Amino acid sequence: AQSVTQLGSHVSVSEGALVLLRCNYSSSVPPYLFWYVQYPNQGLQLLLKYTTGATLVKGINGFEAEFKKSETSFHLTKPSAHMSDAAEYFCAVSVASNTGKLIFGQGTTLQVKP
Amino acid sequence: DVKVTQSSRYLVKRTGEKVFLECVQDMDHENMFWYRQDPGLGLRLIYFSYDVKMKEKGDIPEGYSVSREKKERFSLILESASTNQTSMYLCASSLNGRPYNEQFFGPGTRLTVL
Repeated sequence: AQSVTQLGSHVSVSEGALVLLRCNYSSSVPPYLFWYVQYPNQGLQLLLKYTTGATLVKGINGFEAEFKKSETSFHLTKPSAHMSDAAEYFCAVSVASNTGKLIFGQGTTLQVKP
Repeated sequence: DVKVTQSSRYLVKRTGEKVFLECVQDMDHENMFWYRQDPGLGLRLIYFSYDVKMKEKGDIPEGYSVSREKKERFSLILESASTNQTSMYLCASSLNGRPYNEQFFGPGTRLTVL
């Protein structure tokens, strides 16, 4: 069965600092992996996804994530945090079936300090 | 752009009331999903549907039912609302059940049951 673990429910960085949000997954089949962002009082918005091919995936708003099979990780990074990046971030893995179901991590709240 | 709309952003109901949450998508997506979101628990799948009149239970279906009479509309029903159903409810849709397809989310309905 697939599962997702996000390390750290809250991460705080200073504006301009590196953002690193950690995600580890468990999957018995090659995974499809997603990062979503949720701004206050809004639904989730796709940041990026890994399907096949290049392991470094670039997303919107300057975010990127690297799929590392040996470490079963899909960490999200951004070189320089902006105040507008403050939000909750969710990592998800696709269930190995033709249902379109996703399994989400618990979420990480990113705080950006001025 | 895919648009997923939910009938209410905020809803206050009393214990024992029957509650309907409506979700509409405008991109002819086959799959639709209902989640509830609670702090520290991430998103948990309540029900999903892969076709009109077809539905499957998710991880936490107890106390809920769903209806999908038209392809674009997926309704979540709380037969007799209870205080432990106070939560944020998110609807999502995806093109079909292929595991590499992302889900598109509505803005959410924050339900309070008194």
